[in-house]
Parts: sequence; structure tokens; C-alpha cells
Amino acid sequence: GDSVTQMEGPVTLSEEACLTINCTYTATGYPSLFWYVQYPGEGLQLLLKATKADDKGSNKGFEATYRKETTSFHLEKGSVQVSDSAVYFCALSWPGTYKYIFGTGTRLKVLA
Amino acid sequence: DTGVSQDPRHKITKRGQNVTFRCDPISEHNRLYWYRQTLGQGPEFLTYFQNEAQLEKSRLLSDRFSAERPKGSFSTLEIQRTEQGDSAMYLCASSLAAPANYGYTFGSGTRLTVV
Repeated sequence: GDSVTQMEGPVTLSEEACLTINCTYTATGYPSLFWYVQYPGEGLQLLLKATKADDKGSNKGFEATYRKETTSFHLEKGSVQVSDSAVYFCALSWPGTYKYIFGTGTRLKVLA
Repeated sequence: DTGVSQDPRHKITKRGQNVTFRCDPISEHNRLYWYRQTLGQGPEFLTYFQNEAQLEKSRLLSDRFSAERPKGSFSTLEIQRTEQGDSAMYLCASSLAAPANYGYTFGSGTRLTVV
């Protein structure tokens, strides 16, 4: 069945370091892809999304490109801040449906 | 609008007891979802409401679980005869349309601990 695989955390970086969190998916066809972020004590928030191959989603300095050749949607940021410390979830969904399939999440800790 | 509200934030209960959680979605959202998140895992779909109609239940939702959304507003999730395996974060979310295009708004969750 469909699934999402994320790199295991925690990922610990110094402020202003570059970030990459890997995400790959297994699915038949071309689902929509998402990154959600969960800050401590808060609910999941949609960070960015891409609905077709080669689309790039971006928000708050984060980017991810939908690569159908490698079935990947890696999350990147050029310079992380302490405030980016959170858990990041990669997810897929099918257009017209209402369910997500989430990855296991990757915890990011950014040190000042 | 204050977003999706869940109550309580934390619940500790003894095995065998019944518990009920409440979710208040964003007022104009007609779709409501419940997910469960266990330690080290991503959220897993439990059930979906469109207005007051429960349109799908995951096989994760055993007979001990029941969800309602009377009048298409708030929703409750009840677990009867709780087991230790029910310990998890229960997340509620709401949306106006299918998530592929619009995304969900999630609440902060109710953390259940069964002792």
C-alpha cells in the first residue's frame, strides 16, 4: 500500500546551518505531497505542499520539490533558526480524497 | 476564530474505564477528522465526518470506539473499556474541502494515558 518514509531524527543543527530532511514515498500514480510542522505544545500546521511532479512548494524559507523520478519530497532550508525547532511530518494524499498518509516525523533541534 | 480546540489536553485513566474527548472545529469547516498518533509514529486516520454524517471509519477504530458529530458542529470521540494500547495522542482536524488542495487545520490533541 501507499507509504511515506522519513529520515529518522533527531536532527540537531547550529543556528544558520543548512537543513535537509529526506522524505520518500511509495504510491501508485502521483499523489499530492505535503510537509506539516508541529511546534511544541501545538497542533500540526501545513508548512508547504506540491500537487504535481516538478512543483516546488515553499513557505517561511523552507522548500521542497516533488521529484517523481526519485519519488521524493525532501525538505530544505538554507539557514535554520532556533524557532524552527519542531517535529516535521511528510505526508501524501490523493486529490479528491480526505485522508493523509503521514511519515513518522523528524524532530529538529536548532541550537543557538 | 481560535482554530480547532480539543478538550481535555491530557487524560489519565485506569484500564477498563470509559473516556470521552471533545473537538470544536473551525466554525465554517464542514469536514472533521480524527487521527491517532502513537509514540514515534505519524498520525493515523481514524474517522471522517462531513457535516453530521460519519462517512468513513478506519479498521483501527474497534467496536470500543465511537465518534459522533451531532448537528455538524463539535465532535466527541468515546473509548469504552480502555486498554493500555489505547494510550496515544488523539488529534482532531477540520477543513472546508478535500485536503489535497487545502490542507487541514489540526488541534493540539488530547494525550491519553491508560494505567
